[in-house]
Amino acid sequence: NAGVTQTPKFRILKIGQSMTLQCAQDMNHNYMYWYRQDPGMGLKLIYYSVGAGITDKGEVPNGYNVSRSTTEDFPLRLELAAPSQTSVYFCAISRTPGVEGQETQYFGPGTRLLVL
Amino acid sequence: KQEVTQIPAALSVPEGENLVLNCSFTDSAIYNLQWFRQDPGKGLTSLLLIQSSQREQTSGRLNASLDKSSGRSTLYIAASQPGDSATYLCAVIHSDYKLSFGAGTTVTVRA
Repeated sequence: NAGVTQTPKFRILKIGQSMTLQCAQDMNHNYMYWYRQDPGMGLKLIYYSVGAGITDKGEVPNGYNVSRSTTEDFPLRLELAAPSQTSVYFCAISRTPGVEGQETQYFGPGTRLLVL
Repeated sequence: KQEVTQIPAALSVPEGENLVLNCSFTDSAIYNLQWFRQDPGKGLTSLLLIQSSQREQTSGRLNASLDKSSGRSTLYIAASQPGDSATYLCAVIHSDYKLSFGAGTTVTVRA
């Protein structure tokens, strides 16, 4: 049981390039989230999904896109990379928010992205 | 907009001392509150989740309290050890189940 896995661990992009950050889970949790963490700042929600086929914007969605075709996978797409997207990206999952005992969020190890 | 603040930003204590980490939030209409630990270069690990109807939650040497009316939560770590060195983040969970995070308190426990 690997929990939440993220690939790659680290990536350098040039301005204007595109890439997809991968997130996969084997815990069969319904909810999946993408956050970014900038130095000295709290995590900010980019996008989230309540189940396969359903996604919604978080606090900072501009410059990103997501899809959720399966329960297990929730990729995050950067189309035109900008220096402002240099950050650490975390994927998280939770089973059923609103149900006591099933609300805890579990995080992946993160992807460090540097845009130059 | 919910603002979550954690003061101090960094804390250094000798081994054995009790740790007190503070978290304050501006909107008391929260659903739950969760404390996380983050080791350098790693993801977040959930420590404790406090339901809004609860006043505190305990796990081993960790105890977290919640006072919604004053917009505060405190994480206590008893008898600190060098292995407790990490960054501790609190997150407020809203009724739509989205989280607002504080910037964290970085703890160093000196042997």
